[in-house]
Amino acid sequence: DSGVTQTPKHLITATGQRVTLRCSPRSGDLSVYWYQQSLDQGLQFLIQYYNGEERAKGNILERFSAQQFPDLHSELNLSSLELGDSALYFCASSVVRAGQETQYFGPGTRLLVL
Amino acid sequence: AQKVTQAQTEISVVEKEDVTLDCVYETRDTTYYLFWYKQPPSGELVFLIRRNSFDEQNEISGRYSWNFQKSTSSFNFTITASQVVDSAVYFCALMGNTGTASKLTFGTGTRLQVTL
Repeated sequence: DSGVTQTPKHLITATGQRVTLRCSPRSGDLSVYWYQQSLDQGLQFLIQYYNGEERAKGNILERFSAQQFPDLHSELNLSSLELGDSALYFCASSVVRAGQETQYFGPGTRLLVL
Repeated sequence: AQKVTQAQTEISVVEKEDVTLDCVYETRDTTYYLFWYKQPPSGELVFLIRRNSFDEQNEISGRYSWNFQKSTSSFNFTITASQVVDSAVYFCALMGNTGTASKLTFGTGTRLQVTL
């Protein structure tokens, strides 16, 4: 168990809908990453937050948004869903000690858009 | 633009063999980070290492070692005395460091199959 939790584990929804994925980092970890893994696009980095601020941005669509709250949990909002958004969404929290980063992954949320 | 190439799509070895997974990257950034991740058949992602571009020392962690060669833009990963539990897809990734424009790019992954 990495200590990172993601809810829900599975989500089935329809095109055009909006969903929110939640990630709770390990206690004390300030950084949260979001990743998307699909058969078509492979593994992609979406966005990183550090202590509530956006730190890095990847291939995140304009229909997607994320934020990190004061308690450090993060939410990824996906709107106007399309079939191609079906994927596994991972979050990870990270800690840097002596200049070395370690990331801890959650189990992922599997999203199916029908 | 940055790019990560993992030319080996699939590698199959017999247990106890050593195996090297190749990773070649392209970036214009002067400082950057390189990563390796593991995804076993169960599907979870496991972080293995992050290496800063100014630290070219090779890293060893048990049976795992990483060879960073800036001159050839490569960050190869070697598993010594492979075991069946090493069977997984391994991803190499690069994060350019240009302040707020940092972006993490993944390779397409190498599937490693270790058999008895």
